[in-house]
Formats: sequence, C-alpha cells, structure tokens
Amino acid sequence: QQPVQSPQAVILREGEDAVINCSSSKALYSVHWYRQKHGEAPVFLMILLKGGEQMRHEKISASFNEKKQQSSLYLTASQLSYSGTYFCGTDLGSGNTGKLIFGQGTTLQVKP
Amino acid sequence: GAVVSQHPSRVICKSGTSVKIECRSLDFQATTMFWYRQFPKQSLMLMATSNEGSKATYEQGVEKDKFLINHASLTLSTLTVTSAHPEDSSFYICSARDSPGLSTDTQYFGPGTRLTVL
Repeated sequence: QQPVQSPQAVILREGEDAVINCSSSKALYSVHWYRQKHGEAPVFLMILLKGGEQMRHEKISASFNEKKQQSSLYLTASQLSYSGTYFCGTDLGSGNTGKLIFGQGTTLQVKP
Repeated sequence: GAVVSQHPSRVICKSGTSVKIECRSLDFQATTMFWYRQFPKQSLMLMATSNEGSKATYEQGVEKDKFLINHASLTLSTLTVTSAHPEDSSFYICSARDSPGLSTDTQYFGPGTRLTVL
C-alpha cells in the first residue's frame, strides 16, 4: 500500500527543473507532499485533493491524476534551498483519516 | 502554519530504561495526534494514532505495551518507550492536524526526537 516514488534521487544544477512522481496501487483521496532536510522533521509543502485543482508553493507545484492514481511534484528553477528528501503521503484509510503512509522518498540535491 | 513541538529533541539512555517523549500543539488544539518512527535513510512509518480522551490505536506490528501513548489534553500527547533496547533507537516524530474533518486539513510535524539506546 506504500506509494511508490520516482526517481529515487535527483541531482540538479541551480535553476534547473525536476519532476518527482508518486504512484499508488489504491484509489487516492488526497496526496500530501513534504520536504525533509537531514536530521529535521518533514515540512509541509502542499496537499492535493481528489477533484481539486493543481496546487503551488512558491516555485513548486503539484498535480493529482485521480484516474492514474498518481501525483507529480514540479520543481521549477530549483534553488539551493530545495535540496532535501521529498516524501509523498497518502491517506491509509479510504477517506480523510489523517493516517498517512509515505513513499520511500526522493532525494534531491541542488548544486551551485 | 501551525506549530508542533517535541521534547526532548535528543535522548540517550541505557538498555532497559524507559523514555518519555512529549508532543505539544502550541497554537491549536489537536484531538488527534500521530506518532511516526523513522530509521536512517528510510521513510516515516506510522506507529499509532493518539486520541484525546480515549485509547490510542496502533498500526500492525507495533507493540502497544512497549510504546505507551497518552493523550492527556487537547494539546499534549506523550509516547513512552518502555524497557528500551538498542533496536528501538530511531527518530520519533509526532504530528497533528490543525483542522480535522475539513478536506484541506494539514498535518504538521514536530521537530522529532532522536532516541539512542546504548
């Protein structure tokens, strides 16, 4: 039931773009995106809801394809501060239980 | 955004001792809090759901007698790791939702507690 993220790791130069995908084998109610820096807690980026519109956080946006049961995170003109591990989380239940199951993470490294 | 705190941030203890970790929602009330565990270079794994005024619910494979959870008030949940062993060493993170029931509710994470059992 754990969502699958791809790619596992990305290395970028500052200013380049990246896409991180999150796929689930079960129907999704919502997808939550977080970024975690080493040794710190995850920081909320955005939540996408079934039937909702594409969301945006600064130069980071995300989409949610209910039919394909997947979400994609788009990082545009990446900055050094974007480095970290990105996790997508989906609700463990059939609705909005708040119990999140996270993907294995995608490590993003932005170099100068 | 809402703020969730955890205490302590880091603890080192001897094998066999018990450790208590506190999770507080500082600027909102949380009827439900969640406890996660994260091993190095791995994802976050949900351990249990902490419910104010009732018993916690545990995920499959998590021993409820080993990981005692108490949700004493609408702003405080505690996780006690009893008789800790080296394999319990991990990063423990709590989270709380600021608007449960609403479709847009967001889950905020505390800063985490790094437990090292010697």
